[in-house]
Amino acid sequence: NAGVTQTPKFQVLKTGQSMTLQCAQDMNHEYMSWYRQDPGMGLRLIHYSVGAGITDQGEVPNGYNVSRSTTEDFPLRLLSAAPSQTSVYFCASGTYEQYFGPGTRLTVT
Amino acid sequence: DAKTTQPTSMDCAEGRAANLPCNHSTISGNEYVYWYRQIHSQGPQYIIHGLKNNETNEMASLIITEDRKSSTLILPHATLRDTAVYYCIVRADSNTGNQFYFGTGTSLTVIP
Repeated sequence: NAGVTQTPKFQVLKTGQSMTLQCAQDMNHEYMSWYRQDPGMGLRLIHYSVGAGITDQGEVPNGYNVSRSTTEDFPLRLLSAAPSQTSVYFCASGTYEQYFGPGTRLTVT
Repeated sequence: DAKTTQPTSMDCAEGRAANLPCNHSTISGNEYVYWYRQIHSQGPQYIIHGLKNNETNEMASLIITEDRKSSTLILPHATLRDTAVYYCIVRADSNTGNQFYFGTGTSLTVIP
């Protein structure tokens, strides 16, 4: 079991560029979610999904899109990157006990 | 989901028990108490959760007061590797989604 994997580990973007953060899990979990963590702060929920084809917004969804076409994958898209989106992004899966990926460290210049 | 209040930071001597408090005075009857921790810049790690009874696993014990308005996470013999930020979260289990709302947690430093 690989658990939850995220790619890339690091990314630098210029303002206005778009990109997709990948997240995959091999535990057959229905529930997956994306969080961002800014320096010195806790995690804030961006989007979540309770199963393939079903997504919903969390606390801070603006500037991000998600889709869930399979149980395994839950990509997060930044439509037009802004410096305020500089953060560490964590993907998680699981219902009661959530398993987190190693994170993607994104810098937007 | 109910909000939680935790101390910003705590120290604990290595080998001693670490007792981390959490207040959740507005908790509802169907909300569970969860504890996670985050070591340095890694992804958070699940520790334990409970509804109203005390719970114990290989990592920690969770003591929930009878009125459920507060709880304590106990690490029985703290080691240097337990230095981390500990998050207390209350969340209702429902079919509409299982959102975990993290606060800023308690930064625990285990001192040699």
